Amino acid sequence: AQKVTQAQTEISVVEKEDVTLDCVYETRDTTYYLFWYKQPPSGELVFLIRRNSFDEQNEISGRYSWNFQKSTSSFNFTITASQVVDSAVYFCALSERNSGYSTLTFGKGTMLLVSP
Amino acid sequence: EAGVAQSPRYKIIEKRQSVAFWCNPISGHATLYWYQQILGQGPKLLIQFQNNGVVDDSQLPKDRFSAERLKGVDSTLKIQPAKLEDSAVYLCASSLDGQPPHGYTFGSGTRLTVV
Repeated sequence: AQKVTQAQTEISVVEKEDVTLDCVYETRDTTYYLFWYKQPPSGELVFLIRRNSFDEQNEISGRYSWNFQKSTSSFNFTITASQVVDSAVYFCALSERNSGYSTLTFGKGTMLLVSP
Repeated sequence: EAGVAQSPRYKIIEKRQSVAFWCNPISGHATLYWYQQILGQGPKLLIQFQNNGVVDDSQLPKDRFSAERLKGVDSTLKIQPAKLEDSAVYLCASSLDGQPPHGYTFGSGTRLTVV
């Protein structure tokens, strides 16, 4: 069984603050993939990042950075100098790579509200 | 490259009526997924197709939901009869071969309201 926990239901920050969204996952597999998606008010799911279980290097993309720690089964997402356009619901998701087919399992999401 | 197309964008029906949603995946993508996203929750997988075969429908309420993917391309998801708790956004996604290295692309979804 797999499970993704996003303990923060809603976070409110003021523009230019840094914010970290937490994600904790459970899996018995040694090979798996973790994802972050952004869902703006328009509703579409926008892919942000994919990380496989063998790559624990942290990644930075502009104002976004991700911290993957297998020891704590966490894959946290930090937005530096937040902007109003960052307001959205953010989902962490887990996919196990089986010999057959994989399925993407989502957490419940964290709503981020960035005010001017 | 065109994205995943879904229609209609919005649908309002009365309970006990039937409704159908359509999805056209990215050309060449063998794997197609239907997810249900209830307000305030993450998307939940309803059914997964590999070409025109079902590989996972364990969370599909089969007494009222059905889905098909004829010819391994377009797919339709049907609800009959609808219940109030079916109000949700129905998301379609496709993947090249269902393996995570190739990622998943989502459509804009169909927002269903059952009154």
